[in-house]
Amino acid sequence: GENVEQHPSTLSVQEGDSAVIKCTYSDSASNYFPWYKQELGKRPQLIIDIRSNVGEKKDQRIAVTLNKTAKHFSLHITETQPEDSAVYFCAARGNEKLTFGTGTRLTIIP
Amino acid sequence: DTAVSQTPKYLVTQMGNDKSIKCEQNLGHDTMYWYKQDSKKFLKIMFSYNNKELIINETVPNRFSPKSPDKAHLNLHINSLELGDSAVYFCASSQYGTGRNSPLHFGNGTRLTVT
Repeated sequence: GENVEQHPSTLSVQEGDSAVIKCTYSDSASNYFPWYKQELGKRPQLIIDIRSNVGEKKDQRIAVTLNKTAKHFSLHITETQPEDSAVYFCAARGNEKLTFGTGTRLTIIP
Repeated sequence: DTAVSQTPKYLVTQMGNDKSIKCEQNLGHDTMYWYKQDSKKFLKIMFSYNNKELIINETVPNRFSPKSPDKAHLNLHINSLELGDSAVYFCASSQYGTGRNSPLHFGNGTRLTVT
């Protein structure tokens, strides 16, 4: 089955700086890669997703890149703000199910 | 209006008891899921139903039994609760299940504490 590794597990950045979270996956048949943000005590919410026929996607301060050959994808957040503090999960879909990474706790330092 | 709603929000119970968590979605989605999030925040799929049919059944103790009376509802019943069952259980839905990609919409979670 699919195995998704996510790094780092914790990340602290100064407000205004950029944050990068990286994930690798094992199943070369995976073709859908969403990212979820989970604030403390809340539910995970989709922030951006990318399909395997695209190498990069951007939505305001958030971008995701995908390298299918190397089987890794990354989340980039620019101009970070305090409200970006949360746990972020990557995921990869192969076969029938979505497999999540282990999460990155991002803390924005004011 | 809450798109995916689950009840109760909190559930505190003793070992050995039986409990149920209910989930309803009003998005018209075909597929519903149960995920378990443990204390380390790992999100792990337990079950998935597509149009009331079970399509994913991970390695979950058979004390856990999902039931889908219709495609808008997916309930989770847990027998003989154990301490290790303490976690947050998330219900989710997606427009498509098999063969087509669509994002998950999560409910607000049920925090189960077994004492």
